[in-house]
Amino acid sequence: AIQMTQSPSSLSASVGDRVTITCRASQGIRGDVAWYQQKPGRAPKLLIYAVFSLQSGVPSRFSGSGSDTDFTLTISSLQPEDFATYFCLQDYLYPPTFGQGTKVEIK
Amino acid sequence: QVQLQESGPGLVKPSETLSLTCSVSGGSISTYYWNWIRQHPGKGLEWIGFIYKSESTNYSPSLKSRVTISADTSRNQFSLKLTSVTAADTAIYYCARGGEYTTSPYDYWGQGTLVTVSS
Repeated sequence: AIQMTQSPSSLSASVGDRVTITCRASQGIRGDVAWYQQKPGRAPKLLIYAVFSLQSGVPSRFSGSGSDTDFTLTISSLQPEDFATYFCLQDYLYPPTFGQGTKVEIK
Repeated sequence: QVQLQESGPGLVKPSETLSLTCSVSGGSISTYYWNWIRQHPGKGLEWIGFIYKSESTNYSPSLKSRVTISADTSRNQFSLKLTSVTAADTAIYYCARGGEYTTSPYDYWGQGTLVTVSS
């Protein structure tokens, strides 16, 4: 199975900061990469799919980029409601696999 | 608006079978991919499997020997059965909708249900 190595595992940031989270795939994958946000006690919420497509209703401060093995989620200006855990997902090769998560905490 | 709701026992004894149902409203399970995903407490997410067009299934290789996903189109529900459970199967179980023609992304999720395996 493809391993998605997410970094950092956690970070502290302030409101207004630019935040970047990376997922590295264990082998080259095409464009089936998505990003999810999860808050405590809640189901994951889809933010980005197909590497850089913004899910309907998701604020434009969220963006995705990358190719081959390296993919990035960027939050351009962190808002109070963005403090959460973020996961990447690859569904290019069976089975689908998630990154281990990045917890974004308040500095 | 598509809504999913998991239901089933919250406690299962070791070696027994875990059975969960996902009730779907606002959309038909006869289209799209419908998935089960789990999350061990405080951990990451693990894809379990999907059912597509109510009959085609695919499962995680690590769980394949123990998993069955089925659908009841008359009730617009799909179900998960996981046999011979151990403490390692204790997790929050989510059902989620995949794509219409692709297996992902998972855009609608149930709230999740915690299943504990313990005697």
